[in-house]
Amino acid sequence: SQTIHQWPATLVQPVGSPLSLECTVEGTSNPNLYWYRQAAGRGLQLLFYSVGIGQISSEVPQNLSASRPQDRQFILSSKKLLLSDSGFYLCAWRGDSTYTGELFFGEGSRLTVL
Amino acid sequence: SQQGEEDPQALSIQEGENATMNCSYKTSINNLQWYRQNSGRGLVHLILIRSNEREKHSGRLRVTLDTSKKSSSLLITASRAADTASYFCATDAHSNSGYALNFGKGTSLLVTP
Repeated sequence: SQTIHQWPATLVQPVGSPLSLECTVEGTSNPNLYWYRQAAGRGLQLLFYSVGIGQISSEVPQNLSASRPQDRQFILSSKKLLLSDSGFYLCAWRGDSTYTGELFFGEGSRLTVL
Repeated sequence: SQQGEEDPQALSIQEGENATMNCSYKTSINNLQWYRQNSGRGLVHLILIRSNEREKHSGRLRVTLDTSKKSSSLLITASRAADTASYFCATDAHSNSGYALNFGKGTSLLVTP
C-alpha cells in the first residue's frame, strides 16, 4: 500500500533562518506531488506542484522554493524565512495520469517563525 | 487561488442530528471532492462526485452536485462526536502547470454528545 511521510512534524525557526521540509511517498511510482500551506483558520493554498523529477511549478510567488531530486521525494525550502511563512504545510500526492483523482495527504509540518 | 467556498464557516449540532455543509465554486469542473481534517492533522478524502453525477452516497455521507448553480452539498446523517472536524470541498482547476485541486476555507463542524 502507498504511504506518505512528512517531516519534521513541528518546527520553530527564527526570522531569516533557512527551511527544509521533506516529503516522501512509498508504494507508488511517478506520483504527482503537491505542497499546500494552511494558515490558521484558513483554507489550503497551493504552493508547488510537480509531475516528475526536476519538474516544479510554482502557483504563488514567494520566498519559498521546491525541489524534486528523486521520483518520490519532494522538498520545500527557503533561504530566509519571514514571519508570514508561519503555517501548517501539507504534502500530498496522487497517482492518476488524468489528474482527476483524490489527493493523499501527509500529516503536515507545523512551522512557527519567530 | 481558492475556488470552492464552504458555508457555513462553523456548525454546531448535537449527536444524532444531521449536518449539512454547502460549497460554491466559480468555474466549470471535472469533479468535486470533499475532504475531512481533524485538528492538526492532514486531510482525508471522503467522497468524489463527477460533473455528470447529481448525487452520491457513501455510508452516512450524501453529496449532491448542481453544476447549473455551481454548488454542492455534503450531508452527514446521524452525526457522532467523532465527526467533529473541518470539512473542505475541492475542485480541480487547470493551470499552466497542470491540474491541481483548489480548496475552500472549510466548514468547522462540532458535534456535541
